[in-house]
Amino acid sequence: EAGVTQFPSHSVIEKGQTVTLRCDPISGHDNLYWYRRVMGKEIKFLLHFVKESKQDESGMPNNRFLAERTGGTYSTLKVQPAELEDSGVYFCASSLGGLGEQFFGPGTRLTVL
Amino acid sequence: QKEVEQNSGPLSVPEGAIASLNCTYSDRGSQSFFWYRQYSGKSPELIMSIYSNGDKEDGRFTAQLNKASQYVSLLIRDSQPSDSATYLCAVNKDFGNEKLTFGTGTRLTIIP
Repeated sequence: EAGVTQFPSHSVIEKGQTVTLRCDPISGHDNLYWYRRVMGKEIKFLLHFVKESKQDESGMPNNRFLAERTGGTYSTLKVQPAELEDSGVYFCASSLGGLGEQFFGPGTRLTVL
Repeated sequence: QKEVEQNSGPLSVPEGAIASLNCTYSDRGSQSFFWYRQYSGKSPELIMSIYSNGDKEDGRFTAQLNKASQYVSLLIRDSQPSDSATYLCAVNKDFGNEKLTFGTGTRLTIIP
């Protein structure tokens, strides 16, 4: 069974540009999460989808971040316009739900110059 | 006070010894507790979950939970060099609200 996949693995952009990250969850997992790790800090929650609905977006830092999950399958996270402080590793995770065991993807390392 | 606290290490343990990793959390109502292992540049890998007080064993790994003391630990028996990694403690506060709150992680090095 394939795990959580993320694309791209790395992205380097300039301040003010737009970047879109993609996450494909484990097949059959209705729950999809986005997390971010800024250098030197802990992994922090961004938002949670159940199927195509946003269950919790309390961790989204501001309105420059837009997450979508059309059709309840893959998800995208768009940052527009990117700022220097958006640099970090963006992780996606998925779960069946219930007991909260989440399985993480390899992450996308975003560098904003 | 951080919601989930771990000693950042590094923690060095001789091969074959027991590695003990500790984590405390601030929200007394927390429900679920997880240990993830993360190799450098890789994704966090779930290795243990625990939901009730006491010990839970899986192979060389034992998770211990004490809700009264708001403390969760991970013991690794017969440590191997391949256990060298960063270990992340994660807590889920509410059933039905499944976001995880992470500690900063403890870097473990097993010395051959």
